[in-house]
Amino acid sequence: DQQVKQNSPSLSVQEGRISILNCDYTNSMFDYFLWYKKYPAEGPTFLISISSIKDKNEDGRFTVFLNKSAKHLSLHIVPSQPGDSAVYFCAASDAGGGNKLTFGTGTQLKVEL
Amino acid sequence: EPEVTQTPSHQVTQMGQEVILRCVPISNHLYFYWYRQILGQKVEFLVSFYNNEISEKSEIFDDQFSVERPDGSNFTLKIRSTKLEDSAMYFCASSYPGGNRNTEAFFGQGTRLTVV
Repeated sequence: DQQVKQNSPSLSVQEGRISILNCDYTNSMFDYFLWYKKYPAEGPTFLISISSIKDKNEDGRFTVFLNKSAKHLSLHIVPSQPGDSAVYFCAASDAGGGNKLTFGTGTQLKVEL
Repeated sequence: EPEVTQTPSHQVTQMGQEVILRCVPISNHLYFYWYRQILGQKVEFLVSFYNNEISEKSEIFDDQFSVERPDGSNFTLKIRSTKLEDSAMYFCASSYPGGNRNTEAFFGQGTRLTVV
C-alpha cells in the first residue's frame, strides 16, 4: 500500500546546481507533509514541512512546493552542496491519523564536485 | 540541541528471545513513536504513545510488541518472541506538538536489531 511514492530511487547533481526531489501521494486525507534527510547509520533528520493550506514553504536553501490537485510535492535544494548527499524521505500525515507519518521509499541524492 | 537517544545501537538476539529497545525522548515532548526500517525498505510506523497510552498502532504492531514509559523519561519497545523477520533498524521519535498537530517528529539514531 504505497500511499506515498518517490519514484526516483537516486538523483545525481553537480555542486551549485539545483536538486529537485519529487514525491507523489494517493491519500487525499493527507494534510501535512514533511521532508527528512537521512545519512547511513543515523536516524531521519527533519528538513522542512508544509501544510496543505499552503503551496510553498521556504527555509534557506530548501523550498518545498505542494500541488494538491496533482497530489504532488517537491523539494528544491539550491545551491546543492556535497554535504547534501544523503537519502531524502518524503512523509505525510492526515488529520484522522494523529501524528503518524507515512513515509516514501526515499531518494538517494548524490551531489558531485 | 536536544536529541532523542536510543540504546543499544546494535542488538543481536536469537530467534524466540525477548528484546527491549530503549529510548529517551526529548524532555518536553508529549508524543512518542516507534518506527522501523527493514533493510532496503521504507520507514514504517509501528506505534504512537501519548498520555501514557497507545494512541495508534499499525498492523505490524501485533501482540508480540508492547511499549512502556516506565519512569517518565524512558520509552521502551519490547518484542516478546523475536522472529527472523523482526530484523530491522528501529527508530524512536518524539514530538511536542504543543496543541498544534502539525509539528515535526525528531528521530533517534536507531537500534539495529539482528535476529539470528
